[in-house]
Amino acid sequence: NAGVMQNPRHLVRRRGQEARLRCSPMKGHSHVYWYRQLPEEGLKFMVYLQKENIIDESGMPKERFSAEFPKEGPSILRIQQVVRGDSAAYFCASSPSRNNEQFFGPGTRLTVL
Amino acid sequence: GENVEQHPSTLSVQEGDSAVIKCTYSDSASNYFPWYKQELGKGPQLIIDIRSNVGEKKDQRIAVTLNKTAKHFSLHITETQPEDSAVYFCAANGRNRDDKIIFGKGTRLHILP
Repeated sequence: NAGVMQNPRHLVRRRGQEARLRCSPMKGHSHVYWYRQLPEEGLKFMVYLQKENIIDESGMPKERFSAEFPKEGPSILRIQQVVRGDSAAYFCASSPSRNNEQFFGPGTRLTVL
Repeated sequence: GENVEQHPSTLSVQEGDSAVIKCTYSDSASNYFPWYKQELGKGPQLIIDIRSNVGEKKDQRIAVTLNKTAKHFSLHITETQPEDSAVYFCAANGRNRDDKIIFGKGTRLHILP
């Protein structure tokens, strides 16, 4: 049973470009969470999605960031017009149901030049 | 707002000795407290968790204790081994026991030979 998969593992973008981060949850998991981690910091919640629905986006910046989890395919975290401050590790986690343990993927390390 | 404080930020112990990491949380409604281990370049890995209906939980060399009145919880690792070296994060579920997890800032644990 494969774990949570994220790709790409490393992503380099220039300021103003778009970044797309993908997350495939564990088999049987329909709940996906995105977190951001800055160097030497803990993880900060961004958004919680269930298939085709955004449940909680209280941690998402109001502009440039969006997330989706379509009926088919991976969850996507999209960052438009990236800035240097977006450089971080972005982690996705999945769980089989609400209020259940979350399993994390290996992360995508975004570097904005 | 919701907050999880974690101490110490760095901890060095001799191999074979015990390590203790302490956390406090702010939201009295929190009822789920996971602990994650993160190795360099990898995603967080759940190592143990505790819910508010118990005060202590043990899994081999790892134990967690929870004091709901004082709103603090601790991780205890006994007979430490070199492979225990990593960053450890405590966490708590958010306001109204919702699904997002609030992380502490982490403790970098070094096991000295």
